Amino acid sequence: EPEVTQTPSHQVTQMGQEVILRCVPISNHLYFYWYRQILGQKVEFLVSFYNNEISEKSEIFDDQFSVERPDGSNFTLKIRSTKLEDSAMYFCASTREVDEQFFGPGTRLTVL
Amino acid sequence: GQQLNQSPQSMFIQEGEDVSMNCTSSSIFNTWLWYKQEPGEGPVLLIALYKAGELTSNGRLTAQFGITRKDSFLNISASIPSDVGIYFCAGPLRGSQGNLIFGKGTKLSVKP
Repeated sequence: EPEVTQTPSHQVTQMGQEVILRCVPISNHLYFYWYRQILGQKVEFLVSFYNNEISEKSEIFDDQFSVERPDGSNFTLKIRSTKLEDSAMYFCASTREVDEQFFGPGTRLTVL
Repeated sequence: GQQLNQSPQSMFIQEGEDVSMNCTSSSIFNTWLWYKQEPGEGPVLLIALYKAGELTSNGRLTAQFGITRKDSFLNISASIPSDVGIYFCAGPLRGSQGNLIFGKGTKLSVKP
C-alpha cells in the first residue's frame, strides 16, 4: 500500500540554523500539506500546496518558512532560522481528493 | 473560528469493552475524519464521513456523521490492547482547500 514517507525521522539543530524537512507524498496525489504538532498538543495546519504553488497558509507559516516541490516526487519544508518554539513534530500529508489526507510518520525537530 | 471539541479527554477501559467518543463543533462541517495516532507516529486515517447521517464501519470501528453536521461519534467494539492511542477527529476549514482542523484528541488506554 502506498504511503507518505518523511526524512529525517529526527532532526536536532541549534537555534538560528536552517533546516529542511523532506517528504515524498503518495505518487498520484495532487494536494500536499505540512502540519505540526507541539508535544502533547493537537495537530495544526501550516500550509497547503497545489499545482506547484502555495494554496493557503496559516498564521504560523511566517516568512521563516518556505515550501518547495523541487522535482516530481519530493516536497520540502524549510525553516530559515529556527527558534526554540519551532521544536515539534512536523507531518507531511497528501491527498488526491482534498479532504481524505494521508499523513507521513513525521519528523521530530528539536531546536537547542 | 471553527473548533472541534472532543470528549472524553481520556479513557481507561478493560480489554473487551466497547468504547464511544465524540466530537462536536459550533460550526457545520461537510466532512468528518477520524484519525488514530500512536506515540511517535503520524495520524492514521480510520474513517471518512461525507454525508449527514452517514454511518460507516471499518472493522470494529463505527463512526457517524451527525444529522446537524455539527457532531460525529466513533465507537470501537470489543477493544483490544492494540487499540491504545490517541483518537482525533478532524474536518476541513470552511472555504479552504482541505486544510484540516483537529480536535485535541481522546487518549485511549486498554488494560489487558
